[in-house]
Amino acid sequence: SQQGEEDPQALSIQEGENATMNCSYKTSINNLQWHRQNSGRGLVHLILIRSNEREKHSGRLRVTLDTSKKSSSLLITASRAADTASYFCATPHSGGSNYKLTFGKGTLLTVNP
Amino acid sequence: GAVVSQHPSWVICKSGTSVKIECRSLDFQATTMFWYRQFPKQSLMLMATSNEGSKATYEQGVEKDKFLINHASLTLSTLTVTSAHPEDSSFYICSARDLGRGSPDTQYFGPGTRLTVL
Repeated sequence: SQQGEEDPQALSIQEGENATMNCSYKTSINNLQWHRQNSGRGLVHLILIRSNEREKHSGRLRVTLDTSKKSSSLLITASRAADTASYFCATPHSGGSNYKLTFGKGTLLTVNP
Repeated sequence: GAVVSQHPSWVICKSGTSVKIECRSLDFQATTMFWYRQFPKQSLMLMATSNEGSKATYEQGVEKDKFLINHASLTLSTLTVTSAHPEDSSFYICSARDLGRGSPDTQYFGPGTRLTVL
């Protein structure tokens, strides 16, 4: 089964609004990552948050991690049309030592100008 | 950041032929690369882990004789889809870890290769 599950599956907002996406996972992790994928393109690593961190910022991105609830959220503030993309959370395979990642199903974000 | 390239970016082939996809780390050495497959509107599924100088490790359900992986150097891994069939049509993405930069947990992804088998 999927280790990471994003919610919502699709999100449509107006430029300037904030976008929040959530990710839940099942097993214990030592880190969780968020990636962006523009349509038909490869992935871009956005941010990594470790299990001992609760919140992390990078520019307009804010990621939170709640290990007790096995969930994470990605907040994009002041969204732009260029933020339109699919966003995936990814977690390392449990018990793995070679950093294999399991990806969630993704949230398709559409930012309307 | 670290750059990973893939070639070709897209390929169309006839059923029964073999197709080779290259994944290169351009500005770093990668002892480990990963190959993913992504069907339309779906997530990435890990196919195999490519290890420089040794055999690849395949995920459950992935046929090693169908998807041949060669990691002959620290900057190049290749995925060959042998005897391709229409159901192999997909978006193939590779990634690599740059142990000399940032966190070893961070993977850098290639731009992907769109394979269409007629």
